[in-house]
Amino acid sequence: GNSVTQMEGPVTLSEEAFLTINCTYTATGYPSLFWYVQYPGEGLQLLLKATKADDKGSNKGFEATYRKETTSFHLEKGSVQVSDSAVYFCALSDITGRRALTFGSGTRLQVQP
Amino acid sequence: DGGITQSPKYLFRKEGQNVTLSCEQNLNHDAMYWYRQDPGQGLRLIYYSQIVNDFQKGDIAEGYSVSREKKESFPLTVTSAQKNPTAFYLCASSTDRDGNQPQHFGDGTRLSIL
Repeated sequence: GNSVTQMEGPVTLSEEAFLTINCTYTATGYPSLFWYVQYPGEGLQLLLKATKADDKGSNKGFEATYRKETTSFHLEKGSVQVSDSAVYFCALSDITGRRALTFGSGTRLQVQP
Repeated sequence: DGGITQSPKYLFRKEGQNVTLSCEQNLNHDAMYWYRQDPGQGLRLIYYSQIVNDFQKGDIAEGYSVSREKKESFPLTVTSAQKNPTAFYLCASSTDRDGNQPQHFGDGTRLSIL
């Protein structure tokens, strides 16, 4: 079945540091890939997406590239801010069946001033 | 503004009681989903519905029930058969045309046992 593996957190960085959160997946076919962000006590917000190999999703300074050869979708940002502190989820869609999302376990990011 | 509204934000359940979580969307989306989130874990799918009057079990449906009588509404009932209901419950919707569309989430309901 489908699965998503994310690096364990928490990830603690100083403001303006470079961020990488690793995500690898196992899936049948060619799913769409997503990064969602969750702030405390809230639901999930879509951060970015990629629908096919070599696509790069980007939003608010965050980027991720769909790498079919390494089955990865790592999230990066060049310079993090305190306001980026949240939990980040990598997810993939099941395009052949129920169309629901399979999520990774989430990575908590803490950015210190 | 279009969106998904979940209510209540906090809910407490007594032993042997059924409780219902509300989820309403005005995005005109066909597909709706219920997920459960436990601390330190990702989201797990409880039920999903791709069209009115039809729904399917997800990965952890035991102890839960749903209905989809209207396009905009997808309530979740946590029954007394669910022995460990304490969790954060998230409702989502999508256009679901081709499986490439993102899901939009509500702000969640936190359920606790009294």
